Amino acid sequence: RKEVEQDPGPFNVPEGATVAFNCTYSNSASQSFFWYRQDCRKEPKLLMSVYSSGNEDGRFTAQLNRASQYISLLIRDSKLSDSATYLCVVNMVGSQGNLIFGKGTKLSVKP
Amino acid sequence: DTGVSQNPRHKITKRGQNVTFRCDPISEHNRLYWYRQTLGQGPEFLTYFQNEAQLEKSRLLSDRFSAERPKGSFSTLEIQRTEQGDSAMYLCASSVTPTGDLRYFGPGTRLTVL
Repeated sequence: RKEVEQDPGPFNVPEGATVAFNCTYSNSASQSFFWYRQDCRKEPKLLMSVYSSGNEDGRFTAQLNRASQYISLLIRDSKLSDSATYLCVVNMVGSQGNLIFGKGTKLSVKP
Repeated sequence: DTGVSQNPRHKITKRGQNVTFRCDPISEHNRLYWYRQTLGQGPEFLTYFQNEAQLEKSRLLSDRFSAERPKGSFSTLEIQRTEQGDSAMYLCASSVTPTGDLRYFGPGTRLTVL
């Protein structure tokens, strides 16, 4: 089993749609969880951290289910500018500050 | 611009040649990381430094790869005897310890091995 697995995608949605990304991780000892966004041929950028209680940042909501080792990201009212690849990321257990990235799910928002 | 910078941005080389990349982190950041990203994959950890000390290396970092951070500021990543499988984006990131996330990635060096 891969350490971080994401929906294969791609997701093609119209503007204004709600889209959900799912991710599972294999190491139950993982403590830190993040979503990054990566535009084509650019570096990844931190979108948001994911907390056990769930957290929201504008149109973006992230949730964590430790029992199921599952992380999600919900984007509401999607914009053309949300088109990117979304990477699910967890910390590398036993390593200080190093991260394991999923393959990413590509999102295309169409007019 | 006070972000992480990487040079060169693009490098095309022939198989068997040696290449060296440079990363300049944000000046007050004492941690520096190297990741590699191949097409269709997420970034994969290669190694990291705290100041000048290389504290961890991935098994992806074969003996053809070497990384240095001699004065705890900029870092270099050298690949000897390049292979076509080395073609990837090489990303550098920096942080102030301790931190759980990596907010500051450089733009990457895209390596193409012909």
